[in-house]
Amino acid sequence: DAGVTQSPTHLIKTRGQQVTLRCSPKSGHDTVSWYQQALGQGPQFIFQYYEEEERQRGNFPDRFSGHQFPNYSSELNVNALLLGDSALYLCASRQISTHKLNYGYTFGSGTRLTVV
Amino acid sequence: SQELEQSPQSLIVQEGKNLTINCTSSKTLYGLYWYKQKYGEGLIFLMMLQKGGEEKSHEKITAKLDEKKQQSSLHITASQPSHAGIYLCGADLLGSARQLTFGSGTQLTVLP
Repeated sequence: DAGVTQSPTHLIKTRGQQVTLRCSPKSGHDTVSWYQQALGQGPQFIFQYYEEEERQRGNFPDRFSGHQFPNYSSELNVNALLLGDSALYLCASRQISTHKLNYGYTFGSGTRLTVV
Repeated sequence: SQELEQSPQSLIVQEGKNLTINCTSSKTLYGLYWYKQKYGEGLIFLMMLQKGGEEKSHEKITAKLDEKKQQSSLHITASQPSHAGIYLCGADLLGSARQLTFGSGTQLTVLP
């Protein structure tokens, strides 16, 4: 049973460019959340998608946007990249209908984004 | 200041020693979660605590929740090199079940 799959695993972009990161949730999961983890820090919540809509958003600028597709997969887009956007981007999924709390989140291995 | 404070930031222990990691919240906890992360990798779920006084164990790892103090501790007994990694506490601070707030992590090194 495949877990959460993220692509690509590593990425190098130039300041000012745009980037798209992809996430396939665990089989049976319908909710996807994205987190940013800077070096030496804990993950920070970016946003959550359910039923193809953004349900909650953390303290991130509009340069960060996302999308969820009918097959529950998701994309994270970041425009006008800054050096400070360099981080590990984690995707987490769960099945919202069976879990009232945050129990049951499965995390992917992340995409390491380096902005130069 | 961070909403979830973890201590210590790093820990180096000899194999076989016991250790404790603490996580303190500045806000009401609706759920407290412990994860383990190998450097640059995703998070592995360890345990979830919801009720004050709750205690859970998995193999040699025990986690407790003190709701009054809004604090949780993670205790590892007879540490092994396989326990090495970054331990993160995460919490639902909004009661929304939509996002986790994480501490900055504890880097654990176990010397053989």
